Amino acid sequence: DTGVSQDPRHKITKRGQNVTFRCDPISEHNRLYWYRQTLGQGPEFLTYFQNEAQLEKSRLLSDRFSAERPKGSFSTLEIQRTEQGDSAMYLCASSPLAGTGLYEQYFGPGTRLTVT
Amino acid sequence: GIQVEQSPPDLILQEGANSTLRCNFSDSVNNLQWFHQNPWGQLINLFYIPSGTKQNGRLSATTVATERYSLLYISSSQTTDSGVYFCAVERYTGNQFYFGTGTSLTVIP
Repeated sequence: DTGVSQDPRHKITKRGQNVTFRCDPISEHNRLYWYRQTLGQGPEFLTYFQNEAQLEKSRLLSDRFSAERPKGSFSTLEIQRTEQGDSAMYLCASSPLAGTGLYEQYFGPGTRLTVT
Repeated sequence: GIQVEQSPPDLILQEGANSTLRCNFSDSVNNLQWFHQNPWGQLINLFYIPSGTKQNGRLSATTVATERYSLLYISSSQTTDSGVYFCAVERYTGNQFYFGTGTSLTVIP
């Protein structure tokens, strides 16, 4: 068990470009979360999957953002037509199987996005 | 959503000192976690503590769910304890966490 991994760790892009981030959760964790963190703030929830089903989306997740978890394993977060305000750390977390009574969330190292 | 307030926002300690960080939340919660965010941005799990008291080495935590607060105690602080400490609460099991704005701790030798 190597923990939650994210790729890339850093991404610099020009305004208007599309970017895609990947998250690989801890194996056997069926819940996966995306958060966004800006400087000086705590992480803010974006969206949540249980297996391949996207169960909840924050109002922060505008139409330019889309997330998928096609086979209930890894997930991708895509941002289209990036804006400077999208610059942030994007964090992924996973938690164990529903019904186990275990709910602790484990976070990956994050992807730091800079939009120029 | 739930409001999560952490205090103090900033804390500077001499190595070896003890400290108490507080987390207040505005509504009843099912779950609560404490995290340490290191300088590289990695969130490290410290405690999963929806209620009661837990200890792990020099760190301990207490959550009084009925009074909507949690405390994180750091004893004999070390320079490696520096970083930002976050409290996160979950209203309904399995859903999103709401984070506080954190306590930034600096431990000086």
